[in-house]
Amino acid sequence: QKEVEQDPGPLSVPEGAIVSLNCTYSNSAFQYFMWYRQYSRKGPELLMYTYSSGNKEDGRFTAQVDKSSKYISLFIRDSQPSDSATYLCAMSDGDSNYQLIWGAGTKLIIKP
Amino acid sequence: GAVVSQHPSRVICKSGTSVKIECRSLDFQATTMFWYRQFPKKSLMLMATSNEGSKATYEQGVEKDKFLINHASLTLSTLTVTSAHPEDSSFYICSATSGYEQYFGPGTRLTVT
Repeated sequence: QKEVEQDPGPLSVPEGAIVSLNCTYSNSAFQYFMWYRQYSRKGPELLMYTYSSGNKEDGRFTAQVDKSSKYISLFIRDSQPSDSATYLCAMSDGDSNYQLIWGAGTKLIIKP
Repeated sequence: GAVVSQHPSRVICKSGTSVKIECRSLDFQATTMFWYRQFPKKSLMLMATSNEGSKATYEQGVEKDKFLINHASLTLSTLTVTSAHPEDSSFYICSATSGYEQYFGPGTRLTVT
């Protein structure tokens, strides 16, 4: 079993829909959680960074962490075609020289 | 957010030659830099972790004599692919951090002919 599980998709939704992206993990020591967006042939871009449990909102993006369920989510409201990309979750236990454990990435397609 | 540059963005070289890729953090000092490799439609594969002034730590299966990493300052790390072969063709991405959030460069597409 991988430490971080993420459905690779693709996930295809119509423009304007609310998108829900998720990752599950097995290591209860993880306490730093990140979501990255990667466009084709580009480096990943940090979208959201959360420490421990709770919600964090930034514009159309909301990140949720449920440590009791070992489950994290990224919600995108009012999705746009420009949101079409691969979304990667990443996390750390804080003791590994800043290394991140990555999900496989979910390819998201927003249809106009 | 923090900015990381990577140069070159694309390079084509002949088999047997060496290629150097530079990674710079432009507006912050990076205590740690990472080098990743990414195959098409795959997630990031960590190659090595480098801290300024010390030897890089390579992941299992990554040849340290083939992928030379130098982290000369808090803003610059270089990856040299020595004696490149076609199987080294890939997308190489660096990231830099001063905490737990990593900031990525735009990547370098290496093609070895």
